Amino acid sequence: AQSVTQLGSHVSVSEGALVLLRCNYSSSVPPYLFWYVQYPNQGLQLLLKYTSAATLVKGINGFEAEFKKSATSFHLTKPSAHMSDAAEYFCAVTQANQAGTALIFGKGTTLSVSS
Amino acid sequence: GAGVSQSPSNKVTEKGKDVELRCDPISGHTALYWYRQSLGQGLEFLIYFQGNSAPDKSGLPSDRFSAERTGGSVSTLTIQRTQQEDSAVYLCASSFLSGGAGEQYFGPGTRLTVT
Repeated sequence: AQSVTQLGSHVSVSEGALVLLRCNYSSSVPPYLFWYVQYPNQGLQLLLKYTSAATLVKGINGFEAEFKKSATSFHLTKPSAHMSDAAEYFCAVTQANQAGTALIFGKGTTLSVSS
Repeated sequence: GAGVSQSPSNKVTEKGKDVELRCDPISGHTALYWYRQSLGQGLEFLIYFQGNSAPDKSGLPSDRFSAERTGGSVSTLTIQRTQQEDSAVYLCASSFLSGGAGEQYFGPGTRLTVT
């Protein structure tokens, strides 16, 4: 069975500050890991994905995440927050090498950015 | 190119009525997923279609929920005898499975309100 835990349902940062959104996963098989962003009244947009290649993954809008197998973590970071980063962020896991399995999502973290 | 589209964007219905939600996936995508997003439960997988294979219905919460996919393209999610707990945003996603991660592309969702 697989699961995802996102620590902190709400994170607040100042504009220009480091963004760190935490995600831990549980999986008995090699995982694929994803971060999605959801802006108000919109669908989910893929930020980045880990698919067993490089452990440091770079995504869109300056975000990156590092896969750490020993810590079963896939935290999302951005060096400098922008006001436009305010949104809800979801970490998700699925089974590697088994195309078509559904995504299992964390509960989400709402990011607020203040000026 | 065109993304995943869903209709209607909003649906208000009375308890006990049936509703149909439509999803148009990205052209050429072989896999189609339905998810439900609600305040209490987060993002939950409902059903998955892949080509002509039998769908994975393991996430459907009750037999009031059903879905079909015609011609390997458009999908309709039907909820019979709606209940207030069915109120949620229903998200559709599609992906092209080519042996890789097959990342899923999401539509904007249908917000269902059962009164």
